[in-house]
Amino acid sequence: SAVISQKPSRDICQRGTSLTIQCQVDSQVTMMFWYRQQPGQSLTLIATANQGSEATYESGFVIDKFPISRPNLTFSTLTVSNMSPEDSSIYLCSGSGGIGNTIYFGEGSWLTVV
Amino acid sequence: QQPVQSPQAVILREGEDAVINCSSSKALYSVHWYRQKHGEAPVFLMILLKGGEQKGHEKISASFNEKKQQSSLYLTASQLSYSGTYFCGTYNQGGKLIFGQGTELSVKP
Repeated sequence: SAVISQKPSRDICQRGTSLTIQCQVDSQVTMMFWYRQQPGQSLTLIATANQGSEATYESGFVIDKFPISRPNLTFSTLTVSNMSPEDSSIYLCSGSGGIGNTIYFGEGSWLTVV
Repeated sequence: QQPVQSPQAVILREGEDAVINCSSSKALYSVHWYRQKHGEAPVFLMILLKGGEQKGHEKISASFNEKKQQSSLYLTASQLSYSGTYFCGTYNQGGKLIFGQGTELSVKP
C-alpha cells in the first residue's frame, strides 16, 4: 500500500484565518485527491490535485476557498481560506495507484474553527 | 451517484456475524471497502474487480454481483476490533471514487 503523510494532524483555527495542509506521498501514487469529512458524515471529494496545473474541483468547491497546489508528483497542499465554523472537518489527502486504482488515505487533518 | 449502504448501523455481540450491503443505480466495475475507526482516517480493506468475486481480509470477506449492481461485506465471528464505520466506494463516470454514507458497526463484549 502507498505511504501518505499529511500535516498538521490537528489544529484549532480562528474564524477568518486560512490554514494550509501539506501532503507527501510515496512514488507508488499516480493521482492525488483531497477529501473532506464533516462530523458524522461520509467522505466528499473536494478536488483532484494536478501536477503543475490547476486542480480540478468537484461541484460545490471553488478554488478561491480551497486553493490546491501540486508542484511535483509526490507533494500537494490544500489551503482552507477565510475559515468559518462550517469548515470544521477532517481533511484527507489521498493517492491512488495499483490494482483498480485503489485509493489510500493519509492520517487526516482535524480542523476546528472557533 | 453515491452508492447506498444498508443498514446504517449495526450492534453486535462478540462472535456474531454481520452483513453490510452496498448498491448502486449505475453499472459497477469495481467496489472498494474501507473501515474507519473513531478518531482515525479510513483504512483500505479490499477491492472487488470482477462480478461474483470474493475477497477476504482477516475474517472479513466480500462479494460483488455485477448484475445486481451491489456488493456485500461479511463480518464473521466479529471481534471488538471490528468496531468502526464501514464505507463502500465506487468509481463514477468521471473517474472519481465516490463513497456511500457509511455503516456504523459496534461490537460489544
